Amino acid sequence: QKEVEQDPGPLSVPEGAIVSLNCTYSNSAFQYFMWYRQYSRKGPELLMYTYSSGNKEDGRFTAQVDKSSKYISLFIRDSQPSDSATYLCAMMGGTSYGKLTFGQGTILTVHP
Amino acid sequence: EPEVTQTPSHQVTQMGQEVILRCVPISNHLYFYWYRQILGQKVEFLVSFYNNEISEKSEIFDDQFSVERPDGSNFTLKIRSTKLEDSAMYFCASSPWTSGGYEQYFGPGTRLTVT
Repeated sequence: QKEVEQDPGPLSVPEGAIVSLNCTYSNSAFQYFMWYRQYSRKGPELLMYTYSSGNKEDGRFTAQVDKSSKYISLFIRDSQPSDSATYLCAMMGGTSYGKLTFGQGTILTVHP
Repeated sequence: EPEVTQTPSHQVTQMGQEVILRCVPISNHLYFYWYRQILGQKVEFLVSFYNNEISEKSEIFDDQFSVERPDGSNFTLKIRSTKLEDSAMYFCASSPWTSGGYEQYFGPGTRLTVT
């Protein structure tokens, strides 16, 4: 079983839609959960990070972590064409200092 | 806004040659990392570096790889004898002391092509 699984999509939605992106994981040691956005041929850009279970909101973005189900989500409200990118989930264990384990990434297109 | 920079943006080299990829992390950050992304695949951790020492490394980071912080601003990744399978995007990242390593900021990457 892969440590982190993420549906690569592609996902295509109309402008203004609510987007739901998800990852599952198998390693119980993961304590920190991050979402990155990556535009074509660019480096990953940190969007949000969450420690342990719970929700975190930042503008149009909401991150959710359910450790009991080993499932994390990123919701994007009122999606914009500029949100079109690849979204990567990443995770880190409590004792692994800085080693991020990434998902495959989901390609998102928001069309006007 | 401060950012991580990397040079060169694209490096082409022949198999067996040595390459050095350069990074300038964000100035007040203390933790540094290298990742790679083979085309169409996941971003993979290579190594983390703190206080002039490797903190953690992956199985990919074998004896052909080394890292160095030669001065107060640069962080380098050296591949001694490149192989075709080393062709990938290489990303440098850094994080502040306060973050515990999860708050990592990535550079734009160096595309390494080994022929």
